Amino acid sequence: AQSVTQLDSQVPVFEEAPVELRCNYSSSVSVYLFWYVQYPNQGLQLLLKYLSGSTLVKGINGFEAEFNKSQTSFHLRKPSVHISDTAEYFCAVGALEYGNKLVFGAGTILRVKS
Amino acid sequence: ETGVTQTPRHLVMGMTNKKSLKCEQHLGHNAMYWYKQSAKKPLELMFVYSLEERVENNSVPSRFSPECPNSSHLFLHLHTLQPEDSALYLCASSQEYGGAGEQFFGPGTRLTVL
Repeated sequence: AQSVTQLDSQVPVFEEAPVELRCNYSSSVSVYLFWYVQYPNQGLQLLLKYLSGSTLVKGINGFEAEFNKSQTSFHLRKPSVHISDTAEYFCAVGALEYGNKLVFGAGTILRVKS
Repeated sequence: ETGVTQTPRHLVMGMTNKKSLKCEQHLGHNAMYWYKQSAKKPLELMFVYSLEERVENNSVPSRFSPECPNSSHLFLHLHTLQPEDSALYLCASSQEYGGAGEQFFGPGTRLTVL
């Protein structure tokens, strides 16, 4: 079985400051990982994904994440946030052994303040 | 229309009503999913269809009945729901079931059960 823990339910940050949203996973097999973003009244949109290869993954809107197998983490970072980044962010884990069945974290609300 | 669309966007129903949620994907994908999103909880996978056959049913109560008439359309038929069924219902699709591909989400139907 797999599980995902997003350690912060809400992260407030000022505009132009850096941010890190934390994600830890648990799995007994090799995994692939996703970060999705959900803006108000919208569905989930893919930010970035890690399947294999380079552990530093770059996504849309200036976000990046680093896969750390020893720490079973996949934290999301952005060096300078904008008001428009205010949204809820979901980490998800999947594994070929479990089909394409993604397990999602509970989400982290990023609130960017001016 | 592009991507994944869902109708209606909002639905209010009584516990004795029967209603249906509709999802349509315009991406040529072979797999479609229903998720339930409740406040402060991880997304819950409800059903998965691959090539119009149901391949996952995650212990969902029988008051939820899915239907996939073709690879582009997915329905969720609702009857005698409970107030705790109030949530955002998200539809998603992916190229194949069982791979590591991205899932594309619709905007969701916000369901309120009175």
